[in-house]
Order: sequence, then structure tokens, then C-alpha cells
Amino acid sequence: EAGVAQSPRYKIIEKRQSVAFWCNPISGHATLYWYQQILGQGPKLLIQFQNNGVVDDSQLPKDRFSAERLKGVDSTLKIQPAKLEDSAVYLCASSLFGATGETQYFGPGTRLLVL
Amino acid sequence: AQKITQTQPGMFVQEKEAVTLDCTYDTSDQSYGLFWYKQPSSGEMIFLIYQGSYDEQNATEGRYSLNFQKARKSANLVISASQLGDSAMYFCAMREGYNTDKLIFGTGTRLQVFP
Repeated sequence: EAGVAQSPRYKIIEKRQSVAFWCNPISGHATLYWYQQILGQGPKLLIQFQNNGVVDDSQLPKDRFSAERLKGVDSTLKIQPAKLEDSAVYLCASSLFGATGETQYFGPGTRLLVL
Repeated sequence: AQKITQTQPGMFVQEKEAVTLDCTYDTSDQSYGLFWYKQPSSGEMIFLIYQGSYDEQNATEGRYSLNFQKARKSANLVISASQLGDSAMYFCAMREGYNTDKLIFGTGTRLQVFP
């Protein structure tokens, strides 16, 4: 079974530029998550989708971050415009139904550096 | 508010020895789940073990076991017979409540296994 795929793996941009990350979850997984992991910290949930609907986006900085999952499969996370403090690893995860006790499976992440 | 605390920024262990990574949590909910993830330098979060708050027995998965002490609100990870490949960051995470699957992560512990 293929795991969670993410691209690109690395991205370097200048502040005020825009950037987009792509995630393809494990086949059949209804729930998809985007996490932000700043150096030296644990991941923090940005947004959670159940199929193509948003379940939780309470920690997403909506003035600059946006995410979509149009067909309930792939997802993109966009930052526009980027700030220096957005430098982090962006992790995508998926789970089958998003139920309590269910494991979230993570992708390799996208390392973003904003100069 | 729910919180995960990992007080050990770094740990060293000799190959073949056992090591315990500490995790304490704070929640007012009666139903919750506790997870441990391993993050090697490649960046991917790898699920290791899960403990539900109502599980009466400590969880075990191969060389990993979770020392769950509910009254003390601790969920320490025990790795037996350490291997060089165990060198990585280890994160404790909590899912609070029955109808949510949002994970709250600790700051992690870096484990170094030496020959």
C-alpha cells in the first residue's frame, strides 16, 4: 500500500512570494490533515478535511494560508504572501475515517525556507 | 487546555539497552487517546504505539511498550533492546475526547543510540 505522498520535498522562497504544497493521501482515506512543524517543536494542526469538507481550520492563519481538497482526494496548501516565520516543515497526514483511536499516517513533509 | 509535556530534550542509550522516554499530559476529558510517533532525519512521522484512556492493559508493539499511569497522567514509551536505527526524534501526542481526532503534540525527545 502506497503511503502519503507530498511534493515538493524542499522549497526556498523569498518573503512576500507565494508557494503551494501538494498532498496525496493513502487510497481510500477520507480524512486529511495539514500540520506545520517549526524547528524544535512538535507538529501543529493547521486544517483537517473530511472528504472535501473542512472539519477544523481554527489554527489556520486565514489571511495568508488557504487549503482545498476539491474532489475529496488530493489537497493543496497555499501560502500567499509568505513571511519569515512560515519557515517550517509542512506535514500532510491521512486516516481512514478520522475516528478516535485511529492512526494518522504522515507523509515525508515539505521543508519550506523563507528568506 | 490540553497539553503534552516531554521534559527530556535529549537522551542517550547504548545499543541493546532499554530506554524510557517520558511524557505527561493534561486533560479534563475522560476519553482520550495517547500516541507515540518516531521522526527520523528524513522527516516522516512514523506511528509506533497507541493507548486509549479506557484500555486497562498497557499497549505493546514489538520492542515498544507504553507505561500508562492514568492517575499520574503519564504515558512513557519504553524501547527495549535499542538499535542504532532507533536514533530519531520521538513525539508523544494526545487525541482528546470521543468526537475529535485532532492531535496535540509535545516538543519531542531526541534519542541517540550509540554502539
